[in-house]
Amino acid sequence: EAGVAQSPRYKIIEKRQSVAFWCNPISGHATLYWYQQILGQGPKLLIQFQNNGVVDDSQLPKDRFSAERLKGVDSTLKIQPAKLEDSAVYLCASSSLHNEQFFGPGTRLTVL
Amino acid sequence: RKEVEQDPGPFNVPEGATVAFNCTYSNSASQSFFWYRQDCRKEPKLLMSVYSSGNEDGRFTAQLNRASQYISLLIRDSKLSDSATYLCVVNYGQNFVFGPGTRLSVLP
Repeated sequence: EAGVAQSPRYKIIEKRQSVAFWCNPISGHATLYWYQQILGQGPKLLIQFQNNGVVDDSQLPKDRFSAERLKGVDSTLKIQPAKLEDSAVYLCASSSLHNEQFFGPGTRLTVL
Repeated sequence: RKEVEQDPGPFNVPEGATVAFNCTYSNSASQSFFWYRQDCRKEPKLLMSVYSSGNEDGRFTAQLNRASQYISLLIRDSKLSDSATYLCVVNYGQNFVFGPGTRLSVLP
């Protein structure tokens, strides 16, 4: 069974630039999560989708971050414009309802 | 108070040692609990779910105390390959909250 796919794996940008991350969840998983993990900390939930609807985006900085899951499968997370403090690993995870979350390899973002 | 707190670590233990990690959570409505393992520069992976009656998987034992809002993970006979960060995860409703993690280094 294929796992959660993410791209790119690494991204380096300058502050105020824009960046987008892509996630393809495990086939059949209705729930998709985007997490931000800053070095030395646990993952912090940014947004959770159930199919193509948003369940929780309370910790998403909506002035600069946006995410969508069109058609309830793939998802993209965008940052515009990026700040230095956005440097982190962005993890995508998927699960069937309330079950184990499976994580992708993450995208390591460095903002200079 | 943070929603999920863990022993700050790091824990440095010799091979063969027994080590225990603690986790506390603030939301009494929490419904399910997990331990995830995260290797350096890798994604988290589920180690085990935590059940009310406690559960064991080989060298790993997880316990839950709902009254004290406390979860523990015990690792017996530590192996070098157990070196990782252990993340406590608490679920209530549709929310999953990760703790900051406790880093374990098992030394030869």
